[in-house]
Amino acid sequence: GAGVSQSPSNKVTEKGKDVELRCDPISGHTALYWYRQSLGQGLEFLIYFQGNSAPDKSGLPSDRFSAERTGGSVSTLTIQRTQQEDSAVYLCASSLQGYEQYFGPGTRLTVT
Amino acid sequence: DAKTTQPPSMDCAEGRAANLPCNHSTISGNEYVYWYRQIHSQGPQYIIHGLKNNETNEMASLIITEDRKSSTLILPHATLRDTAVYYCIVGFREYGNKLVFGAGTILRVKS
Repeated sequence: GAGVSQSPSNKVTEKGKDVELRCDPISGHTALYWYRQSLGQGLEFLIYFQGNSAPDKSGLPSDRFSAERTGGSVSTLTIQRTQQEDSAVYLCASSLQGYEQYFGPGTRLTVT
Repeated sequence: DAKTTQPPSMDCAEGRAANLPCNHSTISGNEYVYWYRQIHSQGPQYIIHGLKNNETNEMASLIITEDRKSSTLILPHATLRDTAVYYCIVGFREYGNKLVFGAGTILRVKS
């Protein structure tokens, strides 16, 4: 079946602009996670959704970052007033009832 | 969550078995061992998980020691496409089990 999809695959934006990253999880997966991976760095957790609610937002680096999930499906990660340090690959994963996580291909964000 | 220790890199000849070790000496009784891998420029890929018993699936085998303080991921016949960073992660199998990725092991499969 279809895996996790993310769009866009690449995004170049100017410093100070807002960006929206989209994640379409595997159908039926109730849990959705956002991670990011900076160049040469490991993956770091950002936020977790169970259904449409986000019980764990502990990884969001600043209040410029927000995320929502609607209909228990699609999720959008929004970064306001982007900074160069926001440049990274943003990865989305979904899982069934908190079991094994299946990742999308990621969105590579470059802030110039 | 328990921490893991993995060698930074390993080489393996194509067609041979790749054995990737992981130490997790502080693992608690209800924590699982998960293995993921990340091929260059792709998102991480789930491989296998286990609690106490050895596990096998179409991708790999997972051998967990009796005291559960270490484990080994075995790729029985490594191919060039198995070249990737392999992550051993320990955690609870529950809602919101955010994965904590370490540095992993870079496995290079060579022809």
